[in-house]
Amino acid sequence: DVVLTQSPLSLPVTLGQPASISCRSSQSLEHSDGNTYVNWFQQRPGQSPRRLIYKISNRESGVPDRFSGSGSGTDFTLKISGVEAEDAGVYYCMQGTHWPLTFGGGTEVEIK
Amino acid sequence: EVQLVESGGGLVHPGGSLRLSCAASGFTFSNNWMHWVRQTSGRGLVWVSRINYDGSDTSYADSVEGRFTISRDNAKNRLYLQMNSLRIEDTGVYYCVRNSWGPDYWGQGTLVTVSS
Repeated sequence: DVVLTQSPLSLPVTLGQPASISCRSSQSLEHSDGNTYVNWFQQRPGQSPRRLIYKISNRESGVPDRFSGSGSGTDFTLKISGVEAEDAGVYYCMQGTHWPLTFGGGTEVEIK
Repeated sequence: EVQLVESGGGLVHPGGSLRLSCAASGFTFSNNWMHWVRQTSGRGLVWVSRINYDGSDTSYADSVEGRFTISRDNAKNRLYLQMNSLRIEDTGVYYCVRNSWGPDYWGQGTLVTVSS
């Protein structure tokens, strides 16, 4: 199975400051069809996961543009340009290129 | 608005069975593959199973292969997970998840606790 390693595990961030979360894969996530199926999810306390980004960098409808995804191959990044209070929670990367689907271990964003 | 509502979770002894159900609304259910995903210890997410549009093709995580069965009823807009020979390590919150370029919308989850 593909192993996704997220860092850091915990990320304290001051309101208005940027944040960056890394997701590294044990193998390339580029599919033979040319797409790279990397998604990012946000899970606020007490809620279900919500997809923010699909196929590396495509934002879901309604997701603020302060969230952006980038990367290729085995290295991917989620950035928040200026953290707001509502961004507190755990963020997960996920790959859908290789079966079974696998998730990273999560990064907890804490607002200082 | 897309809605996925799971039910059927509960407390069961090792070796027991449960059937989870997911009621879907707000989208054309038969147009999407569907998944079940488990969350353990409030943090770890593990993919469990998926099913294609009409139920003719299914896939399972190695840990549940032969014990769990995913199915769907497109006429009723329902997804199911039959869980047999349950083990302690199957404990967690089970989410019904729609697929669109990968998992997108998640239900609120139903808690399954396997304990003696």
